[in-house]
Amino acid sequence: DGGITQSPKYLFRKEGQNVTLSCEQNLNHDAMYWYRQDPGQGLRLIYYSQIVNDFQKGDIAEGYSVSREKKESFPLTVTSAQKNPTAFYLCASSVGQIWNQPQHFGDGTRLSIL
Amino acid sequence: AQKITQTQPGMFVQEKEAVTLDCTYDTSDPSYGLFWYKQPSSGEMIFLIYQGSYDQQNATEGRYSLNFQKARKSANLVISASQLGDSAMYFCAMRGANAGGTSYGKLTFGQGTILTVHP
Repeated sequence: DGGITQSPKYLFRKEGQNVTLSCEQNLNHDAMYWYRQDPGQGLRLIYYSQIVNDFQKGDIAEGYSVSREKKESFPLTVTSAQKNPTAFYLCASSVGQIWNQPQHFGDGTRLSIL
Repeated sequence: AQKITQTQPGMFVQEKEAVTLDCTYDTSDPSYGLFWYKQPSSGEMIFLIYQGSYDQQNATEGRYSLNFQKARKSANLVISASQLGDSAMYFCAMRGANAGGTSYGKLTFGQGTILTVHP
């Protein structure tokens, strides 16, 4: 079945540590996205990529980095510069720059500070 | 800039009854799409229904329908015959397009409405 796989499901970060969240899709979608969700809140866009080897900052990119070396993969690194990383992180993908296509989401990664 | 407003933090409905979840939006984009997602307590985001700004008819998908009033900038979700499994957080979201019809892809989300279905 086609879908989006995020791993790990739960992740713990120590102070000063960088951690990487994995996102893989087999939907053959061009566009991929990372969102952050805080408790009781909506989603906020961190980074997005419309094509391989290209990505843009979203609304809250500070303290995060991404890469898009393969169409299927869009990993997110939460750096030590992100002072409040505890949140639920959701990866999504869509057909591309087509505004009437929905984004499909993975199951998310919950990140906590040790 | 785009903005989505969901004014109902929480809603309660009796099983088998219908419920309406409110969503109003604001955008300057000439074309846009409105999406509803369901987020159960497990966290995944499930796409429910889509309405395009130029669609003449309200969208329907099974028990879900969208009451789209473009002049009022509202896109309310109607769930008919509520089931216990409908208890979840529901998000309204928007994606806009420029005059050329392309979109940089961002979905703007509302704050969500928690729906609780009582037996």
